[in-house]
Amino acid sequence: DAKTTQPPSMDCAEGRAANLPCNHSTISGNEYVYWYRQIHSQGPQYIIHGLKNNETNEMASLIITEDRKSSTLILPHATLRDTAVYYCIVSNDYKLSFGAGTTVTVRA
Amino acid sequence: GAVVSQHPSRVICKSGTSVKIECRSLDFQATTMFWYRQFPKQSLMLMATSNEGSKATYEQGVEKDKFLINHASLTLSTLTVTSAHPEDSSFYICSASKNIRSGNTIYFGEGSWLTVV
Repeated sequence: DAKTTQPPSMDCAEGRAANLPCNHSTISGNEYVYWYRQIHSQGPQYIIHGLKNNETNEMASLIITEDRKSSTLILPHATLRDTAVYYCIVSNDYKLSFGAGTTVTVRA
Repeated sequence: GAVVSQHPSRVICKSGTSVKIECRSLDFQATTMFWYRQFPKQSLMLMATSNEGSKATYEQGVEKDKFLINHASLTLSTLTVTSAHPEDSSFYICSASKNIRSGNTIYFGEGSWLTVV
């Protein structure tokens, strides 16, 4: 699986959009981009995934660059409950390799 | 609601005993499930792939005789930690893939905290 690079941490203000970047420059053509988050002492929660096109669901939007070498997860209106570690993973099977992720802290 | 469920959520066992953790896919069939382990302040580490009706495949460095995996049905995989030691204390998490509107995706269970005393 391709490796991903994420900033170790970021803060954002409650009610504002949170934009989480992820670099995956070695992604191959059949690898999906997955985003999960983990709140302390819980299993990872699925957020969104995509292959080439931008995706949106009730939780977030995923913007994938045209060359697929990077992506951005957008939480449109961050709340305090969005404080978590966010993982960007690329994979072409169901074996997901987790990196260190980005620790996102939403502040009131 | 939960898509993948684990039981127990927390377990304490004595050193030298064995403990079983269950992972169930709720209202869908999962021919393949995955087991992860997470130590405090670390990321998830894949331990093994559980295959329904066949042997599990283990990641490098994971002892197959210590971490027994059984995937006897399309909705249940079990992880048994045999002869547990305090260093096996960890957060164990399973995952399974489910087909949703946007394609197959992977859901994780709530995790099981194991404490070996």
